[in-house]
Amino acid sequence: QSALTQPASVSGSPGQSITISCTGTSSDVGGYNYVSWYQQHPGKAPKLLIYDVSNRPSGVSNRFSGSKSGNTASLTISGLQAEDEADYYCNSYTLYSTRVFGGGTKLTVL
Amino acid sequence: QVHLVESGGGVVQPGRSLRLSCAASGFTFSSYALHWVRQAPGKGLEWLALISPDGNNKYYADADSVKGRFTISRDNSKNTLYLQMNSLTAEDTAVYYCARGFGNFDYWGQGTLVTVSS
Repeated sequence: QSALTQPASVSGSPGQSITISCTGTSSDVGGYNYVSWYQQHPGKAPKLLIYDVSNRPSGVSNRFSGSKSGNTASLTISGLQAEDEADYYCNSYTLYSTRVFGGGTKLTVL
Repeated sequence: QVHLVESGGGVVQPGRSLRLSCAASGFTFSSYALHWVRQAPGKGLEWLALISPDGNNKYYADADSVKGRFTISRDNSKNTLYLQMNSLTAEDTAVYYCARGFGNFDYWGQGTLVTVSS
């Protein structure tokens, strides 16, 4: 099971919106709605941002949103803030009942 | 509140074994699937293994580097998750996290560092 494909880095200015893509196959992202997104600050454990493609856990800002089209899922962060600078990872359920992460995307807030 | 606390990490020589533990509290342990995820220094997250709530179903990453060497287990009477790691190599050096959930990982531990070095 190959890792999902994410851009290595994205950047944006405060107040702007950015989108991070996560591309898999019909055996993972495209085949199931168990796509989730995680934020990780340096030295910290990952934090769940989005689950089941587009749902936000309680306490997560509505500036974070998720979507999916075909084999590609996307995380959009609107109204960028300095504290959004972190690494972001997608994850998907797979055909084999396993899970797979994307390679991660480093977000820089300019 | 949900707490997951990993332990058992440390420095281990290549070829040796290590067992990690993840102590859980704040939720009904036997009702949740649990996972192990690792992160090598400066690298991304790597999903390793999943165990069902009753412990009867286990799934592992397909990577040759994990399958056959790592074993996930749980003791629902002790609210504890385990990862038995055998034949360790330098490539297993990483922070190992336990996480709760089925379709997603809603709670994570703080991680335990495993360093494989002679």
